[in-house]
Amino acid sequence: DGGITQSPKYLFRKEGQNVTLSCEQNLNHDAMYWYRQDPGQGLRLIYYSQIVNDFQKGDIAEGYSVSREKKESFPLTVTSAQKNPTAFYLCASSIVWGRETQYFGPGTRLLVL
Amino acid sequence: AQTVTQSQPEMSVQEAETVTLSCTYDTSESDYYLFWYKQPPSRQMILVIRQEAYKQQNATENRFSVNFQKAAKSFSLKISDSQLGDAAMYFCAYRSAEGGSEKLVFGKGTKLTVNP
Repeated sequence: DGGITQSPKYLFRKEGQNVTLSCEQNLNHDAMYWYRQDPGQGLRLIYYSQIVNDFQKGDIAEGYSVSREKKESFPLTVTSAQKNPTAFYLCASSIVWGRETQYFGPGTRLLVL
Repeated sequence: AQTVTQSQPEMSVQEAETVTLSCTYDTSESDYYLFWYKQPPSRQMILVIRQEAYKQQNATENRFSVNFQKAAKSFSLKISDSQLGDAAMYFCAYRSAEGGSEKLVFGKGTKLTVNP
């Protein structure tokens, strides 16, 4: 089946630890995105990538890092510099960057121990 | 910067009835896209409907339709014949069609409850 997968579904982070959230898509989409959702809020853009080996910061990139070594994969690392990482993280993709509809994965819930 | 406002934090509807969710937005651009996404308890964001600003005709998708008023910057969602499975958070989102427009701008959402 075509779609976007995110893993793990739940992730626990200890203080000072870096953790990586996985996002994979088999839709042959060029563009991929990471959003963060806090309770009672809409989504906010963390990073996005239009093509392989290229990515740009969104509105709230501080404390996060990404890579785009393959078209299908866009992992997000939550670093120790992110002081309030507890949130729901959603990955999205679209056919091309700019005009196309974004489709979302099932999300990862990150909790701090 | 563009903003999206959903003024109804919560709404409820009886099963089989019709409900309208409100959304207003602020932009100085003339070409853009508007979306309604549904987020059920599973928390996956599901596209409900999409509207291109250059199209005067309101988008429809089965029981879902929009009332797009470009001059008023209003984009409401009407759900007809409401079903229990329609219960979810609904988010209105804006996306510019101009160069450099990489992100969706979301409202804070409306929680829809469907009563049997």
